[in-house]
Amino acid sequence: DQQVKQNSPSLSVQEGRISILNCDYTNSMFDYFLWYKKYPAEGPTFLISISSIKDKNEDGRFTVFLNKSAKHLSLHIVPSQPGDSAVYFCAASDAGGTSYGKLTFGQGTILTVHP
Amino acid sequence: DGGITQSPKYLFRKEGQNVTLSCEQNLNHDAMYWYRQDPGQGLRLIYYSQIVNDFQKGDIAEGYSVSREKKESFPLTVTSAQKNPTAFYLCATGGVWDDYGYTFGSGTRLTVV
Repeated sequence: DQQVKQNSPSLSVQEGRISILNCDYTNSMFDYFLWYKKYPAEGPTFLISISSIKDKNEDGRFTVFLNKSAKHLSLHIVPSQPGDSAVYFCAASDAGGTSYGKLTFGQGTILTVHP
Repeated sequence: DGGITQSPKYLFRKEGQNVTLSCEQNLNHDAMYWYRQDPGQGLRLIYYSQIVNDFQKGDIAEGYSVSREKKESFPLTVTSAQKNPTAFYLCATGGVWDDYGYTFGSGTRLTVV
């Protein structure tokens, strides 16, 4: 049972445009969400997070939106740059629950930003 | 300089052999995790440990074993029982209560030859 889903395996955008990566989850107990970025042959690195008490969190070019009723979150990158080309993973956890901090990851979306 | 180190970066295994992947951290975290990455499958949890001398199976533990004798170390053994071991293996430490969730190692690429 895939509790965190990234239904788009890949996304291609032009440099300077907006990139929107989507993530859906099924576990209503999830209350903390994170996005990670991964380059080939490297470990993922943290990008941005959001708690369920918020519906938006912004950090420079990166904004994460959370729609709890739809169990959906999205990552917006504006403007997109070629260096943003990587695999993006969505992750979720029930921070106050029984997962003890364990994260559940989506399948990842490969973002390609063309110059 | 705190961090998490995985070794080796590349590993080749013959059919029927066991191999052990190393993961060491000096972040003083209690929790450590092993994930496997396959194309199109995302990150799948193999084993995790919340505290020394204790560990739990993840979603795909069959064919793998771990130990947690020290807080700093969480080695993963890929046994001959693992049917399809060729993959990219990632070790992580931390948890959702940390600002960044997990800190990942740089990974080990295991190839069966």
